[in-house]
Parts: sequence; structure tokens; C-alpha cells
Amino acid sequence: GESVGLHLPTLSVQEGDNSIINCAYSNSASDYFIWYKQESGKGPQFIIDIRSNMDKRQGQRVTVLLNKTVKHLSLQIAATQPGDSAVYFCAESINQGGKLIFGQGTELSVKP
Amino acid sequence: GAVVSQHPSRVICKSGTSVKIECRSLDFQATTMFWYRQFPKKSLMLMATSNEGSKATYEQGVEKDKFLINHASLTLSTLTVTSAHPEDSSFYICSGRGIDTGELFFGEGSRLTVL
Repeated sequence: GESVGLHLPTLSVQEGDNSIINCAYSNSASDYFIWYKQESGKGPQFIIDIRSNMDKRQGQRVTVLLNKTVKHLSLQIAATQPGDSAVYFCAESINQGGKLIFGQGTELSVKP
Repeated sequence: GAVVSQHPSRVICKSGTSVKIECRSLDFQATTMFWYRQFPKKSLMLMATSNEGSKATYEQGVEKDKFLINHASLTLSTLTVTSAHPEDSSFYICSGRGIDTGELFFGEGSRLTVL
């Protein structure tokens, strides 16, 4: 049969609602994680990071949760705004100085 | 914040020609620069890691003779796509790691279209 390429998962939310974007990372040795936001035609923009010795970190309107047991990362955006519409990527590395490997990404669409 | 500049932002070339993309760290020194490529609706794929003054380390499956990377100074790395073909059309993104803080900063990307 025809092979189907992987497409970006999409998440559609109403303006003002909270958004939760999930990511499964691949390397159990990774100990540093970053969430990036990428708008169309632009480079990734840093949102928030977390080290493996933490399971939660909060920023302005964003919270990152890390579950090392199941190698899962999530990004929570509070009171989502139209300007939050973008593709969100998680990225992992072995210590902060290692090469950064990106996850699949999720396209967030915010409806006014 | 620190700025990484890529040039050109867009380039269209004929098949068989070579194209050079520059990545400059404008207000910091980058001992390490990373090059990524990104296809539409896909994630960033790491192509290679370059350290100033030494040869680049390429990821598995990336042809080093096809994608020439030079990192001659602490503020400049270049990626040359040699004998470009339409399948090389992609969005190429560089990032630089600051020598002092270790933070990673991304460029705005360069869109290559090979006709």
C-alpha cells in the first residue's frame, strides 16, 4: 500500500483556554529539554527549558512538565492567545552543551 | 538577546549549481554551530555540528561531500550545498552556542529552492 508520511499533529483551541502540548522524547540519557515555538518561515524561538533534576518549571504563562519514567514532556500554555498560533517543538540533549535533537512538533491553532 | 544572522534568507538556483549559506553570530562568539534542515510540515533534522577551527561532525545519512561546512571563525560558519538538485530544496537553519553562557541561539533560516 501507499506509505503515509508523518504529518504534524494539530491542536486547535479557543482563545482564552489553556493548551497542553505533549512530546515523547527518545533518549533516556537526555537530561536537558527545551520547548521552542516556530512561526511560519522563521527560526525556532526559545520558550522554556528544564533539566532532568526537575519535574516542573514555570515561566510567564507557560509551564513545562517532565516525566522521566515514561520519557514524556509537556508544555502548558495558559490563557492561549491568537499570537500563540505556531508550531511547537520539544528538543532534547545530553547536558546543555550537547547537540540538540528535535521532536516531531505540534501545530497549535488558536481560534478567536 | 543574542542574534544569529543567516544569509541569504531565500535563494533560488538552477540544478547543478552550488549555493553557500552564511551563519553569523552578531554579538557573541560561538565555538559550536549546528546546521539543521527542515522540510515543510516536518521537524528540524540535525545535519552536522561544527566546531571552530576543526572539521564538522556529520549526522548519519548526511553526505559530507554534498553539504560542505566551514567554521573558520568564532562568528561565522558556512554551509555549501554542492551540485544542488531539486531534492535539496529545503529550509536550512543554523544555531550557535555562546562561548560564555553555553546558550543556543537560532538563525531565521534560509530557504533554498533548486529548479
